[in-house]
Amino acid sequence: DAKTTQPTSMDCAEGRAANLPCNHSTISGNEYVYWYRQIHSQGPQYIIHGLKNNETNEMASLIITEDRKSSTLILPHATLRDTAVYYCIVRVGLGGSGGSNYKLTFGKGTLLTVNP
Amino acid sequence: EAQVTQNPRYLITVTGKKLTVTCSQNMNHEYMSWYRQDPGLGLRQIYYSMNVEVTDKGDVPEGYKVSRKEKRNFPLILESPSPNQTSLYFCASSLSGGPDTQYFGPGTRLTVL
Repeated sequence: DAKTTQPTSMDCAEGRAANLPCNHSTISGNEYVYWYRQIHSQGPQYIIHGLKNNETNEMASLIITEDRKSSTLILPHATLRDTAVYYCIVRVGLGGSGGSNYKLTFGKGTLLTVNP
Repeated sequence: EAQVTQNPRYLITVTGKKLTVTCSQNMNHEYMSWYRQDPGLGLRQIYYSMNVEVTDKGDVPEGYKVSRKEKRNFPLILESPSPNQTSLYFCASSLSGGPDTQYFGPGTRLTVL
């Protein structure tokens, strides 16, 4: 299983871009990179995912290096409500009865604190 | 509104008293899953279901049961709760088990005395 490495914590000023790095050097060719976040004790929230190309949606941008061994999540204009733990996850597929279990394996994530 | 709901949100119970935490989704999702979250251990998968009547164990299934009689519901059953099952529980669903986003419920905080 591909594992991910993220910094434990980061700070960002409100209104600035937040750039959250993730290393996944053992990622396989068919594994996606997902980003979720969890605001204190709430259910994790999907942000974005990608395979090879950079992706952008209304919440964030995802930059994946050409060798796919690392990625960066960019929140272009961080607000106080973006303070959360951000999880970088490489999607795992496991064999199971009736099909595959594409479970999400959450690591410790990065605590992003957006400061006024 | 598309959502995953869980009930109850908070529960304090005693050892050995059977309980059920309900999970329901209104998105016609095939895949549903239960996670528990503990300090220092992160989120760990308990059980998952690929579709109606198809369930399988996750990483920490001991002490839990699930059923999937209907597509929208995936209850988590603790037949004889113990204090080590005190945790924050999340239900999640997605359209399929493939590379689809998973939607999480708001969580159920369970305390077993």
